[in-house]
Amino acid sequence: SYELTQPPSVSVSPGQTARIPCSGDGVTNQFTFWYRQKPGQAPVMVMYKNSERPSGIPERISGYSSGRTVTMTISGVQAEDEADYYCQAVDSNNIWVFGGGTKLTVL
Amino acid sequence: EVQLVQSGAEVKKPGESLRISCKASGYTFTNYWIGWVRQMPGKGLEWMGIIWPGDSDARYSPSFQGQVAISVDKSITTAHLQWTSLKASDTAMYYCARPKLGYNGFDIWGPGTLVTVSP
Repeated sequence: SYELTQPPSVSVSPGQTARIPCSGDGVTNQFTFWYRQKPGQAPVMVMYKNSERPSGIPERISGYSSGRTVTMTISGVQAEDEADYYCQAVDSNNIWVFGGGTKLTVL
Repeated sequence: EVQLVQSGAEVKKPGESLRISCKASGYTFTNYWIGWVRQMPGKGLEWMGIIWPGDSDARYSPSFQGQVAISVDKSITTAHLQWTSLKASDTAMYYCARPKLGYNGFDIWGPGTLVTVSP
């Protein structure tokens, strides 16, 4: 299986844009998914198929892919966006892999 | 409403066995895979494995193969995660989750079951 690499932390001020990258060989061939997890809660899918939003997820959350990196972008960051974010993909052996997670801090 | 309801928190001793459950409702149980994810205290998410309820075909992460068993009981639309001999390192939150139809990503999650293994 392969690894998905995320920065441990990202910090932004309210109203700014947060960008959380997820890098790995597998993201070039497979769809990537993103989850948000707030303290004491189960994860919630916020993006699928690299850039599609599930219903109920605001348009200010978007995603794009470039080479070995998939990036989730949160525009106009709000205090409520503060959470841990995880990317996830599937390797060639159908083993699902999560990135290590990124803690988004709203300053 | 699609729901995954998990069994309650457990406190066990090393060497004991355990089975936790995940009751699915609001959809056709045999039409979706169902998986398990571990989260150790203060750590990230780890995919443990997934099972197709239709025929109990289970796939495991190499990290968990042989360490746990995933099963289903179709008659009660419930998935199980089982240990035969717990270790202190099994202390974690365990989530069951259902993939989004047609995709290899989970869009429905249970609330989690906290397992504590302590002498």
